[in-house]
Amino acid sequence: AQSVTQPDIHITVSEGASLELRCNYSYGATPYLFWYVQSPGQGLQLLLKYFSGDTLVQGIKGFEAEFKRSQSSFNLRKPSVHWSDAAEYFCAVGPKTSYDKVIFGPGTSLSVIP
Amino acid sequence: DAGITQSPRHKVTETGTPVTLRCHQTENHRYMYWYRQDPGHGLRLIHYSYGVKDTDKGEVSDGYSVSRSKTEDFLLTLESATSSQTSVYFCAISGGTGGLNTEAFFGQGTRLTVV
Repeated sequence: AQSVTQPDIHITVSEGASLELRCNYSYGATPYLFWYVQSPGQGLQLLLKYFSGDTLVQGIKGFEAEFKRSQSSFNLRKPSVHWSDAAEYFCAVGPKTSYDKVIFGPGTSLSVIP
Repeated sequence: DAGITQSPRHKVTETGTPVTLRCHQTENHRYMYWYRQDPGHGLRLIHYSYGVKDTDKGEVSDGYSVSRSKTEDFLLTLESATSSQTSVYFCAISGGTGGLNTEAFFGQGTRLTVV
């Protein structure tokens, strides 16, 4: 069955520290991969996406993610976290066939300590 | 930003009444989705549509129905609202140019309270 897991429900980091949010997926083939961010009271915004090619992708707000096929992972990273990064982060896999849907992980809530 | 409009943005309704939420897109995307978001549960898919009059159930479809008579509109109906359906509802679209399945774009959400 297709699924996305985000092992960390909640993470707290200090401002300026590095960040890595984990994402693992189960899919029949290499899917399209996405990370979204949701600030309190807002809808979801796309941070970055991987379709093919270079396995390290850059996104907005200084985020990057690395696709590792052997580990079925697509972890999100940021070298130095800002207080404004406190939000909910969702990993998602997208279909490559006509009748499949986007599947979201359960989300990781990030808190940032000043 | 993708042209997605959810209406209403806020609604309070009484238990047992029917409620319809509307999602309207101006992007001609093939796929449309309805999610609910509750604390501790992340996003949960209610129903989705992969074309006009083509819909399917998600993981939490009980008590909900949908309709898509036009590409641009996807309606979510709570047939008889219950307090457990108090939630924030998000519409999303995907499948842009040529029907390719690219990223999903989200509406701003509808906060529904059932009293």
